[in-house]
Amino acid sequence: KQEVTQIPAALSVPEGENLVLNCSFTDSAIYNLQWFRQDPGKGLTSLLLIQSSQREQTSGRLNASLDKSSGRSTLYIAASQPGDSATYLCAVIPGGTSYGKLTFGQGTILTVHP
Amino acid sequence: KAGVTQTPRYLIKTRGQQVTLSCSPISGHRSVSWYQQTPGQGLQFLFEYFSETQRNKGNFPGRFSGRQFSNSRSEMNVSTLELGDSALYLCASSGSDVREQFFGPGTRLTVL
Repeated sequence: KQEVTQIPAALSVPEGENLVLNCSFTDSAIYNLQWFRQDPGKGLTSLLLIQSSQREQTSGRLNASLDKSSGRSTLYIAASQPGDSATYLCAVIPGGTSYGKLTFGQGTILTVHP
Repeated sequence: KAGVTQTPRYLIKTRGQQVTLSCSPISGHRSVSWYQQTPGQGLQFLFEYFSETQRNKGNFPGRFSGRQFSNSRSEMNVSTLELGDSALYLCASSGSDVREQFFGPGTRLTVL
């Protein structure tokens, strides 16, 4: 059974810092991995999807890497801003016939203070 | 392109009642998945539909059911509501080989 762990559970940083969020998974037989952001009481916003054949993916100030063999992914946020404050979730997308059956980590609650 | 929409956004019900939630996927997406999110359990997979067929199901009791229509819109139903069913219910749609999921804003269900 796939298990996904995110470290740290919470992070508070001053504006402008670069930061790294970690995600680990127990079964390396993944199809893809997706990072999301969730604001309080809202739905999930897709940030980045990394295909299992890729090592990293970039979008603006965000960079996500994937090391499938070691079961790890990291999300790097450059020059953090107060608007980045949210919960960040990683999700493993399974292959085969397990369509739609994502396994999520518990999330990292990020607070960026001015 | 419009995103995933969910209705209603908020619901208050009492124990024993039943509820129906609706999800409209992104145009062209044929896969719709449902998730339950609670503070204690996080995000848990309920079921996934594609072309009106349930392809996958999570570990939830039979009180939780769903269906998908020919236009890919989906509904989920919860019968005999319990206090523990209070949660944010999220649906997601997918329409590509990479299986990227796009989520709606969710329906907040409160059971009193």
